[in-house]
Amino acid sequence: DAGVTQSPTHLIKTRGQQVTLRCSPKSGHDTVSWYQQALGQGPQFIFQYYEEEERQRGNFPDRFSGHQFPNYSSELNVNALLLGDSALYLCASSLGSQFSNQPQHFGDGTRLSIL
Amino acid sequence: AQRVTQPEKLLSVFKGAPVELKCNYSYSGSPELFWYVQYSRQRLQLLLRHISRESIKGFTADLNKGETSFHLKKPFAQEEDSAMYYCALSTSGTYKYIFGTGTRLKVLA
Repeated sequence: DAGVTQSPTHLIKTRGQQVTLRCSPKSGHDTVSWYQQALGQGPQFIFQYYEEEERQRGNFPDRFSGHQFPNYSSELNVNALLLGDSALYLCASSLGSQFSNQPQHFGDGTRLSIL
Repeated sequence: AQRVTQPEKLLSVFKGAPVELKCNYSYSGSPELFWYVQYSRQRLQLLLRHISRESIKGFTADLNKGETSFHLKKPFAQEEDSAMYYCALSTSGTYKYIFGTGTRLKVLA
């Protein structure tokens, strides 16, 4: 099992453009969370998808949106890119649970650079 | 607002010395706390969670609700413990994780 896989590994965009990042969860996992990690910072929670719905969102603007597919894979879309969106974007998968938060299994991330 | 604080960006210790990585949190409810580790050129991975009360790779962490702390400890550091360590908080009734800024541990020979 390759675990969580993310694509692409690196991406360069310019201000104002739009970007889509992709994530396949670990086999058997049904929940996907997305994080933004700026240089020297810890991961910042963007949102979590479960049963194809966004069920929790962090403090990110509506320019950040996502989707989860029936096979549990997920996309993160960012519109109107700003220089400050340059970061490592991490995807994490887990088993959905209504009782507690399950440990997250992380991918290697997508490094997004905005010029 | 919920917050996780890791006061040390870098902690250097000699091999065989005790290690304590500090983590303090702010949350008025019942927290779930985790330590994640990232070794060089590897992905972020779970080290331990307070609810399981396990010792992983010789590391332990005890939740102290009075001091709102979840410090990570190991009695004798090894060179392979050198890595980036993140403390994370999950709050009851949400599915959100809040990470600290991380502490880089360097174990010197």
